[in-house]
Amino acid sequence: KAGVTQTPRYLIKTRGQQVTLSCSPISGHRSVSWYQQTPGQGLQFLFEYFSETQRNKGNFPGRFSGRQFSNSRSEMNVSTLELGDSALYLCASSSVGPGYEQYFGPGTRLTVT
Amino acid sequence: AQSVTQLGSHVSVSEGALVLLRCNYSSSVPPYLFWYVQYPNQGLQLLLKYTSAATLVKGINGFEAEFKKSETSFHLTKPSAHMSDAAEYFCAVSEASSGGTASKLTFGTGTRLQVTL
Repeated sequence: KAGVTQTPRYLIKTRGQQVTLSCSPISGHRSVSWYQQTPGQGLQFLFEYFSETQRNKGNFPGRFSGRQFSNSRSEMNVSTLELGDSALYLCASSSVGPGYEQYFGPGTRLTVT
Repeated sequence: AQSVTQLGSHVSVSEGALVLLRCNYSSSVPPYLFWYVQYPNQGLQLLLKYTSAATLVKGINGFEAEFKKSETSFHLTKPSAHMSDAAEYFCAVSEASSGGTASKLTFGTGTRLQVTL
């Protein structure tokens, strides 16, 4: 099976711009979660989607949003970028239900200048 | 809310020595626990998981972890370190979402393992 894929792998944006990141889950996985990784804050949960619905949300401002499509692919969007949004954004997919392991993609490295 | 504490942000061992990475969790219900490894410029790779089936869990690359409820610990061990084990290791606990459909991972701050000759 192919793993979780994320595009693009690297991105450079300017403050105030917006960005969209894409994630394709492992075939058969219906749950997709997003995480932000920074040196200062570590790995933090952004949100989780299943059946095209956001099921859980972390403590991030409304500038961070996401969606899931009927084929389980997901996108996340960050509007009005700030320098502090520079991070590695990781997508993970899993089967549905507590305890199922999450499989991570390689991440998108976002740099905001 | 559940939480994870990883003691030691950096651990250095000699090649062939025992690897011990510590993880303590806080949970009001039986947790699901995971160890992930991250190599530079890569995503997270699952090493092993605990889901209450057995307290000693064996994972990939010779790693194992033991769940100790009385100590609220889930330490990761490997009998003999290899140079290729140098990476950052994350312990994580999952909690079911309010919708009960999937799980959110709460991660520890990570431990960077250095392996020396």
